[in-house]
Amino acid sequence: DAKTTQPPSMDCAEGRAANLPCNHSTISGNEYVYWYRQIHSQGPQYIIHGLKNNETNEMASLIITEDRKSSTLILPHATLRDTAVYYCIVRVDNNAGNMLTFGGGTRLMVKP
Amino acid sequence: DVKVTQSSRYLVKRTGEKVFLECVQDMDHENMFWYRQDPGLGLRLIYFSYDVKMKEKGDIPEGYSVSREKKERFSLILESASTNQTSMYLCASGYLRQGSYNNEQFFGPGTRLTVL
Repeated sequence: DAKTTQPPSMDCAEGRAANLPCNHSTISGNEYVYWYRQIHSQGPQYIIHGLKNNETNEMASLIITEDRKSSTLILPHATLRDTAVYYCIVRVDNNAGNMLTFGGGTRLMVKP
Repeated sequence: DVKVTQSSRYLVKRTGEKVFLECVQDMDHENMFWYRQDPGLGLRLIYFSYDVKMKEKGDIPEGYSVSREKKERFSLILESASTNQTSMYLCASGYLRQGSYNNEQFFGPGTRLTVL
């Protein structure tokens, strides 16, 4: 699986958009980009995933560059409850259990 | 809503004890996983199972075993607990969809195990 690089921490003002970057320069053509987050003392929570097109759901938007070497997770109106560690993962879908490998992630602090 | 439950939120055991961590999911998922999470190391896969009685080693299986006797239940066993197994243990489940792009996994709340 391709490795990902994320900044270790970011701050965001409440109500503003939070833009979390992820570099995955060695991503291969059949690898998807997944985002999870983990709020303190809870298990990781799925946010969104995509292959090459931009994606949006009720939680966030995912912007993937045309060369697919990087992506950005956007929380359009961050709230205090969005304070968490955000993990960017790239993973090929195969039959080997579909397990995920989490790196260090980005610790997002939403401030009032 | 998908529900993944783990038997304990906090557990304290002594070195050498046998420890059972239980995980149950209610979504009829084929895949189930056990991870451990340590500061600075992220989540690391210990074992996973894609069917009843089937198991596969993950990245760090040493010192652990698993059991999947029923589809909804996946147990992690520490045969002889050691202090370096003090960690947060997370169970997850997900569908096995061959040819699908959905690798979404649903996680339980975690069990914080301390081995003294």
